[in-house]
Amino acid sequence: AQSVSQHNHHVILSEAASLELGCNYSYGGTVNLFWYVQYPGQHLQLLLKYFSGDPLVKGIKGFEAEFIKSKFSFNLRKPSVQWSDTAEYFCAVNAGFQKLVFGTGTRLLVSP
Amino acid sequence: GAVVSQHPSRVICKSGTSVKIECRSLDFQATTMFWYRQFPKKSLMLMATSNEGSKATYEQGVEKDKFLINHASLTLSTLTVTSAHPEDSSFYICSAPLAAEQFFGPGTRLTVL
Repeated sequence: AQSVSQHNHHVILSEAASLELGCNYSYGGTVNLFWYVQYPGQHLQLLLKYFSGDPLVKGIKGFEAEFIKSKFSFNLRKPSVQWSDTAEYFCAVNAGFQKLVFGTGTRLLVSP
Repeated sequence: GAVVSQHPSRVICKSGTSVKIECRSLDFQATTMFWYRQFPKKSLMLMATSNEGSKATYEQGVEKDKFLINHASLTLSTLTVTSAHPEDSSFYICSAPLAAEQFFGPGTRLTVL
């Protein structure tokens, strides 16, 4: 069965620090990978996605992620975080038929 | 972007009663919708796939008689938690796909007393 693991459950950073959130997946077939963000009190929103092509994917709000097939990883990065990036971040893999399998999430707190 | 709504946003009920949660795609049609459950400090767990015009597909371990799903139209899916118990208290989220992307509802917080 497909699974997604996120290594960091809680991350605390100061503004302007660089961010990298780890995501590894377990799935033998062709994967579609996603990062979602959930701001406090809001819907899940798509940050970025990888289907094929360039393994370095750029998303909204300055986020990017790199798909490394050999490592089964899809880590999320941002060079300089802002206070407004405080949120919970979920990595997900498409498990077929449009179903998504989510990681456990990483709660990011950015202090001003 | 596409919008998915859920109603109600919060519901408190007594043990043994049933609760219905609605999920609507406001500006697009969805033949398939998905229902997730989110436990505190944990991830979203897919419960079932709602299919317009046919039976829902439940994930392993999800009781289909407990969580009734009806996909009444191309814009509405409902999840009914029957004979609710305190352990059913959770955050329920629906999603609908459009052009290879999932759009999520804001969620419904269910508290069973």
